[in-house]
Amino acid sequence: GAVVSQHPSRVICKSGTSVKIECRSLDFQATTMFWYRQFPKKSLMLMATSNEGSKATYEQGVEKDKFLINHASLTLSTLTVTSAHPEDSSFYICSADGTLDTQYFGPGTRLTVL
Amino acid sequence: AQKITQTQPGMFVQEKEAVTLDCTYDTSDPSYGLFWYKQPSSGEMIFLIYQGSYDQQNATEGRYSLNFQKARKSANLVISASQLGDSAMYFCAIRGTSYGKLTFGQGTILTVHP
Repeated sequence: GAVVSQHPSRVICKSGTSVKIECRSLDFQATTMFWYRQFPKKSLMLMATSNEGSKATYEQGVEKDKFLINHASLTLSTLTVTSAHPEDSSFYICSADGTLDTQYFGPGTRLTVL
Repeated sequence: AQKITQTQPGMFVQEKEAVTLDCTYDTSDPSYGLFWYKQPSSGEMIFLIYQGSYDQQNATEGRYSLNFQKARKSANLVISASQLGDSAMYFCAIRGTSYGKLTFGQGTILTVHP
């Protein structure tokens, strides 16, 4: 099946710094990618839909200036958490769109902000 | 709008027994797909099974089967012959052709006892 990678898998940063998370589709082209956030033992919450070559569509309540999403190519989408604070600590997962019956998930990135 | 409800926060099952995880849904989309994912402690999202709203037969994938009752808007996951490795969090999700994005339920933590 199709593979989606995420980098880094874990990141620890200081409060106030920015962190970039990459999501790559390794063996297929992904016009649309999705970014989710997950707190421990909770569900996945969709943050935004990333479309190649256009602006991301953010879900209600997600700060666009806080979570910058760029989908510059058909195989790469990036999420940048700007001026990170401890409350941004979470598990971030990306997925790439397949057909109606498929969506391929990356392994996730665990962000810890000190 | 789409909504998924998983009413079982936690379930316990004895090894080798079968277990049913409940999922009900609501959607205004006439055509939709239902998914089940497994998330072990590592965090990766593992696709288990898919059911299309127009599929006549219930989906099966190895030890997993989906009990789809359209009139009741339910899509329960049945795991037969449980194994210790089945212990994980399980998510039901829905995707409509109009929306594209996946909407997840709250999840059910399954624990398999030896």
